[in-house]
Amino acid sequence: GDSVTQKQGQVTLSEDDFLFINCTYSTTTYPTLLWYVQYPGQGPQLLLKVTTANNKGISRGFEATYDKGTTSFHLQKASVQESDSAVYFCALPPGNRIFFGDGTQLVVKP
Amino acid sequence: EAAVTQSPRSKVAVTGGKVTLSCHQTNNHDYMYWYRQDTGHGLRLIHYSYVADSTEKGDIPDGYKASRPSQENFSLILELASLSQTAVYFCASRAGTGNSDYTFGSGTRLLVI
Repeated sequence: GDSVTQKQGQVTLSEDDFLFINCTYSTTTYPTLLWYVQYPGQGPQLLLKVTTANNKGISRGFEATYDKGTTSFHLQKASVQESDSAVYFCALPPGNRIFFGDGTQLVVKP
Repeated sequence: EAAVTQSPRSKVAVTGGKVTLSCHQTNNHDYMYWYRQDTGHGLRLIHYSYVADSTEKGDIPDGYKASRPSQENFSLILELASLSQTAVYFCASRAGTGNSDYTFGSGTRLLVI
């Protein structure tokens, strides 16, 4: 069945460090893959959408791509800021529903 | 501005009591969803609806009912609240089939004691 796996529970970085978060997915359909960000006390917000393998989604300095061969997709940012501290979820939206990974808590120290 | 509004923002309920969580959307979206989030975990789907007066079960429907009396409103009902239902609940809406843009509310924090 459809699923996503996100194994990095927490990532702690310093400002200007490089961020890389990886997810793997399983689906029988040709996927659109999503990244959501959740700030404390808020619901998830769509950060990026990637609709075609090997194409990039770009938003707010974040980039996302997915690799159909390895069924993986990742989120990266060249230089994180303290304001990027949040929980990041990968998500797979086949059909009428959306599957979320468990989330990666990003802590950015000043 | 299009939005999903949840009420209450937080609630304390007693075990065995009835709890109703409400959600209202102004997005004119067909689909509405209820998710549950537990600390350190992603969101799990409880119930969803694609049209008024109809609801569908998600992955974890046991212990929950849903009601969609109109396109704008979607409620989640816990008839007999249990300790294990302590969590944050999120409502979301989506335009329609083939559209992957979900809009989430700010959540309802439920504590069952």
